[in-house]
Order: sequence, then C-alpha cells, then structure tokens
Amino acid sequence: EPEVTQTPSHQVTQMGQEVILRCVPISNHLYFYWYRQILGQKVEFLVSFYNNEISEKSEIFDDQFSVERPDGSNFTLKIRSTKLEDSAMYFCASTLRYSPLHFGNGTRLTVT
Amino acid sequence: TQLLEQSPQFLSIQEGENLTVYCNSSSVFSSLQWYRQEPGEGPVLLVTVVTGGEVKKLKRLTFQFGDARKDSSLHITAAQPGDTGLYLCAGGSSGDKLTFGTGTRLAVRP
Repeated sequence: EPEVTQTPSHQVTQMGQEVILRCVPISNHLYFYWYRQILGQKVEFLVSFYNNEISEKSEIFDDQFSVERPDGSNFTLKIRSTKLEDSAMYFCASTLRYSPLHFGNGTRLTVT
Repeated sequence: TQLLEQSPQFLSIQEGENLTVYCNSSSVFSSLQWYRQEPGEGPVLLVTVVTGGEVKKLKRLTFQFGDARKDSSLHITAAQPGDTGLYLCAGGSSGDKLTFGTGTRLAVRP
C-alpha cells in the first residue's frame, strides 16, 4: 500500500538555524498538509497546500515557516530561524479530495 | 477556535473489559475521524463518520457520531493488549484542516 514518507526521522539543530523537513506524499494525491505535535500535547494543524499554493494556514504558521513543492514528488516545510519552542514531531499528510488523510511517520525536530 | 476534548485522558484496564472514550466539542463538524497513534509513528485512520447519529463498527470497535455532530464516542468491547495505544479524534470542517482532540492513552493489561 502506498505511503507518505518523511525524512529525516530525527533532526537536531541549533537555535537560529534553518531546517528543511522533507515529505514525499502518495503519488496521486492532490492535497498536502503539515501538522505538528509538541511532546505530550495534541496534534496541531500548520498548513494545507493545493494546486501549488497555500490554501489555509494556522496562527502557528508565521513568517518563519514556508512550504514548497519543488517538483512533482517532494513537499517541504522550511523553518528559517528555529526557536526552542519549535521542537516537536512534524507530520506530513496527503489526500485526494473527500478522502481520509494519510500521515507519514513524522520528523522529530529537536532545537538546542 | 474549535476545540475537541477527549475523556478520559488515560485509561488502564484489564484484558477483556469494555471501555468508552468520549470526544466532545461545542462546535459542529462536518465529519469526525478517529485515529490511533503508536509511539514514533503518525496517526493511522480507524474510521470516518459524517452523518449525525451515524454508527460504524470495526470488529470490536464501535464509533458513534452525535446527532448534532458535536461529539463522538469510541467503544471497545473485550479489550485486548493489542488495543493499547493513543486514540485521537479529529473534526473536519469547511476548510481543509482537521482539528485534533486532546487524545486518550489506553493501556490494556494482559
């Protein structure tokens, strides 16, 4: 069964550094998402992406965050200048319209 | 802001017991999904309910969507150790995003 893959599984970075989290959604999916889960807290929506543009974003998704689909397969989340509070699991998800989200296994981001 | 509160937060039961997890909100959702999440993995969809009052069964799991589409429940019959995990409800609305609940961590002791 096709799945969403995310790399790396764990990223450690210093505060102020830029990170790029990578995702390969399921190939025929059209809608892409990033969610995050701070340790011990609930899963939170960050951004949705369709037709090469952001369709919705949350208050968390400020100017430090950006998303890109540079080619037909990858979907990336960039954090320009990481803060300690950005430490979390970041999940990518994809879907066809009106069908369930398929989540990747996440990237654990640790900002030191 | 839409919020989904799950109860209980933690549940530890003996194998063979029944349990119910609740997911409540003051907001109306167009759909309600239940996920299960294992450590180190992403949420995996169990079921989607879209109609008020809808009941869906998945083996020993029974899911219900409230008549007003503001709440949902997950009932597990004769729990097994393999049911251990984090159960998440998530509400869908007119936009793309899902609003996740606070989660219920279930431990089933053999």
